[in-house]
Amino acid sequence: AQSVTQLDSHVSVSEGTPVLLRCNYSSSYSPSLFWYVQHPNKGLQLLLKYTSAATLVKGINGFEAEFKKSETSFHLTKPSAHMSDAAEYFCVVSDQPNRDDKIIFGKGTRLHILP
Amino acid sequence: DSGVTQTPKHLITATGQRVTLRCSPRSGDLSVYWYQQSLDQGLQFLIQYYNGEERAKGNILERFSAQQFPDLHSELNLSSLELGDSALYFCASSPLGRGGFGTYEQFFGPGTRLTVL
Repeated sequence: AQSVTQLDSHVSVSEGTPVLLRCNYSSSYSPSLFWYVQHPNKGLQLLLKYTSAATLVKGINGFEAEFKKSETSFHLTKPSAHMSDAAEYFCVVSDQPNRDDKIIFGKGTRLHILP
Repeated sequence: DSGVTQTPKHLITATGQRVTLRCSPRSGDLSVYWYQQSLDQGLQFLIQYYNGEERAKGNILERFSAQQFPDLHSELNLSSLELGDSALYFCASSPLGRGGFGTYEQFFGPGTRLTVL
């Protein structure tokens, strides 16, 4: 069975410093993995997705994530945090193509940016 | 602004009641997805409609139902409401129905916050 674990419920970084949001998954198949961001009182927005192409995926707003099969991880990173990055981030796994009913969301990581 | 609209923004009702949440997808999008976000359960996929037909079903309770109309807007009906149904309900839309989650980016609406007292 598939599952996804976001290892930190809250992460605080100073503006201008690197961001690391951790995500581990388990899957019986070759998974597709996604990161979504949710700003306060807003819906979710796709940051990036991995679908078995390049293992290093670049997304919007300077974010990127690396798929590491040996570590079953898909951590989200950004070199320099900006105040506008303060939001909740969701790691999502889908391990069966064409099966929207097999989508699993992580519990979310709230990112706080300190001035 | 994603182009997906949801009404109402807030809904307060009592246990045992029935409510209807409405979603209008982006112009041209044929698929509509419904999600529930609660403190207890996190974010869960409920159901997907594509061009008027149910395409995929997730963790949707039997007390809940949805439909997509010919003009492609969708309604989520929640009945016999319980305190635990209090949550934020999101609608999302995407251009096509096939390919599964993420193959075609989903665009999320701002959500409807349901409070059951």
